[in-house]
Amino acid sequence: AQKITQTQPGMFVQEKEAVTLDCTYDTSDPSYGLFWYKQPSSGEMIFLIYQGSYDQQNATEGRYSLNFQKARKSANLVISASQLGDSAMYFCAMREYDYKLSFGAGTTVTVRA
Amino acid sequence: EAGVTQSPTHLIKTRGQQATLRCSPISGHTSVYWYQQALGLGLQFLLWYDEGEERNRGNFPPRFSGRQFPNYSSELNVNALELEDSALYLCASSTDYLMTGGGDEKLFFGSGTQLSVL
Repeated sequence: AQKITQTQPGMFVQEKEAVTLDCTYDTSDPSYGLFWYKQPSSGEMIFLIYQGSYDQQNATEGRYSLNFQKARKSANLVISASQLGDSAMYFCAMREYDYKLSFGAGTTVTVRA
Repeated sequence: EAGVTQSPTHLIKTRGQQATLRCSPISGHTSVYWYQQALGLGLQFLLWYDEGEERNRGNFPPRFSGRQFPNYSSELNVNALELEDSALYLCASSTDYLMTGGGDEKLFFGSGTQLSVL
């Protein structure tokens, strides 16, 4: 079974608007971590934001925020005020007890001027 | 401070040959992870090394192997190459997972090695 599900293969967003990328996860481990990474066309994976399973508040990092709904096993990424440089592939990932990161299939975001 | 470096950037091999990919982690990082990213797909976990030991292995055949050296750099070897091994191979490093225990250690990725099997 897929541990991380990203149902949006691709999205278009207008510059300066906000966009929400969906991510649901599946785990029975009470302690886990959720990550979002950005992969531009250059190929390098860039860390964006982290949310721990015991964190009470939603994580925020600049224009990135993570909408964590534990009961629904959802960890959506919100990018506010989109910029052209935000065009990239975005991956949701989860770390469980075995410490490896499991990645979703990714969502391609294209920001239009 | 130098990031994670991988070499070579591109590698072209033919079926049946062996490929060796190299990774140098960020200074101070003891864990190295290898991932395979086939075209248009997500990242598939291959191997995790920490302190010279293989800690975890993904669902890949034994012809995918590797090792971690005393300086924490790592090597991924792929034997008997097949066409479907063509992919971007990403290496990542992180701090010792036992130091924080919180599981929030970020993985820092290199730019990858693009392996093409003809």
